[in-house]
Amino acid sequence: NAGVTQTPKFQVLKTGQSMTLQCAQDMNHEYMSWYRQDPGMGLRLIHYSVGAGITDQGEVPNGYNVSRSTTEDFPLRLLSAAPSQTSVYFCASSQWGGAGEDNEQFFGPGTRLTVL
Amino acid sequence: AQSVSQHNHHVILSEAASLELGCNYSYGGTVNLFWYVQYPGQHLQLLLKYFSGDPLVKGIKGFEAEFIKSKFSFNLRKPSVQWSDTAEYFCAVRASGTYKYIFGTGTRLKVLA
Repeated sequence: NAGVTQTPKFQVLKTGQSMTLQCAQDMNHEYMSWYRQDPGMGLRLIHYSVGAGITDQGEVPNGYNVSRSTTEDFPLRLLSAAPSQTSVYFCASSQWGGAGEDNEQFFGPGTRLTVL
Repeated sequence: AQSVSQHNHHVILSEAASLELGCNYSYGGTVNLFWYVQYPGQHLQLLLKYFSGDPLVKGIKGFEAEFIKSKFSFNLRKPSVQWSDTAEYFCAVRASGTYKYIFGTGTRLKVLA
């Protein structure tokens, strides 16, 4: 299994540009999520999904869109990039349901995004 | 709203010293608790997790954590750290019945050889 994969690894954007960060998992996990990691602020949840067609907002959703058309993929779209979105973005996935014993999140390698 | 506090932002220890990193959360109900580690240049990996049962949880690489419900705490411990434990450590909480994981701000540990 490849686990959770993310592309690209690095990206530089100009203010106002749009782009999509890709995330895929091959573990048939129902739950997928996007975080941003900023110095001194830990990881903050942007959006999450509990299955194909179901998404919801996390702590910091503004400026980002998501969709989940398949179990495997959960892309994150920046509609109009701003310097405040300069960050490292991590995608994660986990199984879901039942007693919660399987709710360990597996993280991708991250995408380092710089917005000029 | 739920929150997670990690009071130690930076910790520097010598090899063989004992480690304890604090984690407190604010939520009155049932929680799932996690500690993740991020080695330099790498993504987050799970160290250990607590769902129910024995409040003393053992994880990988000699780490353990104790859940003290009355103190809303889930502190991470290791009796003797190694240089290879240099990393950033994150505590995370998920309230039972919710879909959101809340992470603390992290603790950077540097172990001197």
